[in-house]
Amino acid sequence: EIVMTQSPATLSVSPGERATLSCRASQGISNDLAWYQQKPGQAPRLLIFRASTRATGVPARFGGGGSGTEFTLTISSLQSEDSAVYYCHQYNRWPIIFGQGTRLEIK
Amino acid sequence: EVKLVESGGGLVQPGGSLRLSCVASGFTFSTHWMSWVRQAPGKGLEWVANIKPDGSEDQYVDSAKGRFTISRDNAKNSLYLQMNSLRAEDTSVYYCARDFPWAETGTVVWGQGTLVTVS
Repeated sequence: EIVMTQSPATLSVSPGERATLSCRASQGISNDLAWYQQKPGQAPRLLIFRASTRATGVPARFGGGGSGTEFTLTISSLQSEDSAVYYCHQYNRWPIIFGQGTRLEIK
Repeated sequence: EVKLVESGGGLVQPGGSLRLSCVASGFTFSTHWMSWVRQAPGKGLEWVANIKPDGSEDQYVDSAKGRFTISRDNAKNSLYLQMNSLRAEDTSVYYCARDFPWAETGTVVWGQGTLVTVS
């Protein structure tokens, strides 16, 4: 089973700045990685799939990169509404595994 | 409007059973992979099961194998999760989702979730 490790656990960034979130897979997963945003009391929202493709309606300030075992989610020009927990998950092979999440706080 | 509405959650004793339902509207249900994903209170997301559009193939997380069964009725635009031998650790909000994980349509559609409490 592939293990997904996200870092940091919590990130605090000022509005207008850039946030970089990391996700590492214990085995190579090509670009079969997605990123989700989840706010309290809400269902997850897909941001990025295939490691770097933005989902429909996602602003361009959300960007994904990486392949193999190392991946990043970059959020530029942070806004207050970006405060949320962000999850990555791999879908290269069954079972689909999520990372434990990164909590992004806007100062 | 594309919509998924879950129901069937509630309080059940350990060892008991529950059947979750998810009714889809606003799209051609029979052409999409469907999934169940859960989230324990205050915890992260966990994929539970997937089912092919025609129902001919399914996949499960190890903790669900032998206890949970995912199924669908394309004539009723409905997805189901039969959960047997429930344990305290199955306590979660259960979400149904369309096109998870591959997002072939450019996004993944989620329901609002239904809470299952095993106690």
